[in-house]
Amino acid sequence: EDQVTQSPEALRLQEGESSSLNCSYTVSGLRGLFWYRQDPGKGPEFLFTLYSAGEEKEKERLKATLTKKESFLHITAPKPEDSATYLCAVQGNTGNQFYFGTGTSLTVIP
Amino acid sequence: DAGVTQSPTHLIKTRGQHVTLRCSPISGHKSVSWYQQVLGQGPQFIFQYYEKEERGRGNFPDRFSARQFPNYSSELNVNALLLGDSALYLCASSSPWNEQYFGPGTRLTVT
Repeated sequence: EDQVTQSPEALRLQEGESSSLNCSYTVSGLRGLFWYRQDPGKGPEFLFTLYSAGEEKEKERLKATLTKKESFLHITAPKPEDSATYLCAVQGNTGNQFYFGTGTSLTVIP
Repeated sequence: DAGVTQSPTHLIKTRGQHVTLRCSPISGHKSVSWYQQVLGQGPQFIFQYYEKEERGRGNFPDRFSARQFPNYSSELNVNALLLGDSALYLCASSSPWNEQYFGPGTRLTVT
C-alpha cells in the first residue's frame, strides 16, 4: 500500500534559522508528490507538485526537492508567518487518491 | 477566481443523525474529492468523483456516500453518525494537471 512518513513531527526554529522537513514515501509508480501548508482549522493550501526524481521547485523561502524515496522541503531564513503544519502527499498509479502524511508542525520564534 | 467553497462551516449533530455536506469546485474543475481529517492527522481519502462518476473510494463504511451534480458540485452524506465521525471534512477540486486544491472544510462535531 502507498505510504507517506513525515519527520520530524514538530520543529521549532528561531527566525532566520534554516532547516529541512522530510517526507519518505512508498508508492507503486509515482504520479506526483505534493506539498501543502495548513493553518489551524483551515484547509490545506497547495504549495508544490514534483513528478520525478531530481526535480526541484521554489517559492519564496521554500524549496522542494525529490528523490526516488523521499522529498525535502527546505525553509531558508524562516519568518514567524511561516509557522504552520506542512503536509506531504503522494499519488501512485494504482488509483486516484492522495495518500497524506501526518505532517510536520513548524513554529518559527521571533 | 473563487476557490473551492464548502458549506456549512461548522455543524453539530447528535449520534444516529444524518448529515449532508456540500462543496463547489473551482470553475473549470471537473473532479471533486472528499477527505476526513481528525485532529493531529493528515487528511484521509473518502471519495473521488469525476464527471458525476465515482472514480475512487477510500476505506470508509457504507454509511458514507457522495454524489456529484451536472454543475460539478458535490455532496457528502453520512448516515447513523458516530462520535468518531467528528472531524474536519475537506473537499478538493482537481486541476487538469491533477493538483488538488482544498476548500476551508466543514467542522463536524457529533455529540
